[in-house]
Amino acid sequence: AQSVTQLDSQVPVFEEAPVELRCNYSSSVSVYLFWYVQYPNQGLQLLLKYLSGSTLVESINGFEAEFNKSQTSFHLRKPSVHISDTAEYFCAAAGGSYIPTFGRGTSLIVHP
Amino acid sequence: DVKVTQSSRYLVKRTGEKVFLECVQDMDHENMFWYRQDPGLGLRLIYFSYDVKMKEKGDIPEGYSVSREKKERFSLILESASTNQTSMYLCASTGQGRGYTFGSGTRLTVV
Repeated sequence: AQSVTQLDSQVPVFEEAPVELRCNYSSSVSVYLFWYVQYPNQGLQLLLKYLSGSTLVESINGFEAEFNKSQTSFHLRKPSVHISDTAEYFCAAAGGSYIPTFGRGTSLIVHP
Repeated sequence: DVKVTQSSRYLVKRTGEKVFLECVQDMDHENMFWYRQDPGLGLRLIYFSYDVKMKEKGDIPEGYSVSREKKERFSLILESASTNQTSMYLCASTGQGRGYTFGSGTRLTVV
């Protein structure tokens, strides 16, 4: 089974600053990778996913993540954050069984 | 727009009660899942189902059971609720490896 490590439990940042949320997964022959976002008192929403093809994937709200096979990483980045990006972010990885394993989450806190 | 609907946003139950958490999806997905979410622990898989009447234990099945009589509905059952089952419960469904669609969650408090 996959294991997923989110290295930071909390990331505070000022508005309009860049941010990187780190995620590492255990190596596997094939892997599908996901980032989910959870706003307060809501369920999780899929932010972006890597299934195959281009290693750089983007979301519609300015986030991007890069699949790095050699470093077994799938870090999430945004060049300029907004207050509204304050949320919990979960990285997930799935192997052949398609059942994702989730990291423990990173709380992104954007300060004005 | 695809939807996973959890019947209750908030529930308060007494210790020892039998509790049913309901989840319905409208995407004709084969696979459905129940997670619980606790601060600092992330999401932990309780049970999942890959077909009607089929179920598999996840990482923390103790104290829970599930029912899937119809493809669109997956119920989580707490046979005798305990205070350590106070948590946020999340239902999700998926087709083949294309990412989950989650419900809004049910915050259960057992007193």
